[in-house]
This record gives sequence, structure tokens and C-alpha cells, in this order.
Amino acid sequence: QSALTQPASVSGSPGQSITISCTGTSSDIGGYNYVSWYQQHPGKAPKLMIYDVSERPSGVSNRFSGSKSAHTASLTISGLQAEDEADYYCSSYTSSSTLVFGGGTKLTVL
Amino acid sequence: EVQLLESGGGLVQPGGSLRLSCAASGFTLSNYGMNWVRQAPGKGLEWVSAISGRGATTYYADSVKGRFTISRDNSKNTLYLQMKGLRAEDTAIYYCAKDTGSWPRGALDVWGQGTTVTVSS
Repeated sequence: QSALTQPASVSGSPGQSITISCTGTSSDIGGYNYVSWYQQHPGKAPKLMIYDVSERPSGVSNRFSGSKSAHTASLTISGLQAEDEADYYCSSYTSSSTLVFGGGTKLTVL
Repeated sequence: EVQLLESGGGLVQPGGSLRLSCAASGFTLSNYGMNWVRQAPGKGLEWVSAISGRGATTYYADSVKGRFTISRDNSKNTLYLQMKGLRAEDTAIYYCAKDTGSWPRGALDVWGQGTTVTVSS
């Protein structure tokens, strides 16, 4: 199972919105609505930000939103804040009953 | 408070074995899908294995199939990962993570702090 494809880096200024894409295939993203997004700060464990494509866990800011079209999922962060600077990973359930992650995207808040 | 606490990591020689443990508190581990996810130094996340809540069906990444075994002890509310035939490429921080439901579909809402495994001679 190949990793999902994410841009290596994205950046934005405080207050702006950014979108991180995550591209897979019909065997993962395209076949299931089980896409999740995780935020990871240096030296910390990942934190679930979005699950089931667009659902937000309790306690996660509504500045974070998720969507999916065909084989590509997206994470949008609006009103960028300094604390949003982190690595972001997407994941998807697959037709092999496994889980696959994206390579990760480093978000820099300028 | 819902928590996961991993232990058992360390330095092991290539070809060696190690058993990781993940003690759960604040919830009943057998009610949820549980996963192991690893992160090699400076690299991204890699899913390793999962076990379903009911029925205890197990799932493995191709990279560890036949070498790693996931299991749980319901009486101890603890998840395990038995690792054999370890290779240098297995060097990573290993996290255990809880799924939101009993079937491991990848919505991992609780993570442990991780335990480090280093495979080197």
C-alpha cells in the first residue's frame, strides 16, 4: 500500500486560510469516507483534528475543516494562528482493511 | 481521564525480539479498535497493526506481517505488540492509539506518548 500524497510544505500568514491536499486512489480515499487528519507538534504525539472526512472531535477548533472529492481529501485551516504551525498528516482506511498515512505536510505560519 | 501509556522499548540487535505494552486507563480497551503506529527518526507516520474491539480480528502492514503480533489482555486492559526478527528499518517511536469505534477504521482519537525502539548492533 503506497503512502497517500501530500505537499511537503505549505505556508500562510496569520489570519489567512490554507488548504492541504491528500491524494490517494480508489482503494483508499476514493473508496471510503474514512479519512482522518492529524496535527503533530515537534516531539509530541499526533492529535486527531478531523475524522470521517469532515467530522471534528470535541475540543477541536471550528477553524479546521475537511472535505473530499473523488480520490483527493483536503484539510482547510482558516484564520491561521501561530500555534497552528506543525506537521499535518492525512490517513485513510483501505480496501485491504489496513490504514495508510500521507507523507506529511509542514505548515509554516509566516 | 482517558490515557494510554506505552512501555517496553529499548535497544535490540538485528534479528532480536521485543514486546511493547500499552496500558489503557479511563476506558475499556476491548470495546475499541486499537492500533500501533510508528515514526522513524525524522520521518512520517506509518501504520503498523490494529486489533478490533469485538472478536479481536487483527490487521498488519505488509512491512511487519509475519514478524509482529498484536494482542491484548482484557484483564489487564493492556495492548501488546510482540516484535520478532527486528531490522534496522524498524527503528522508530512506536505509538499505541485508540480508534473512536470498535472497528479500526482509522479515527485515532487517543494516543500514548510513544516508546522508542532502536535496532542496531
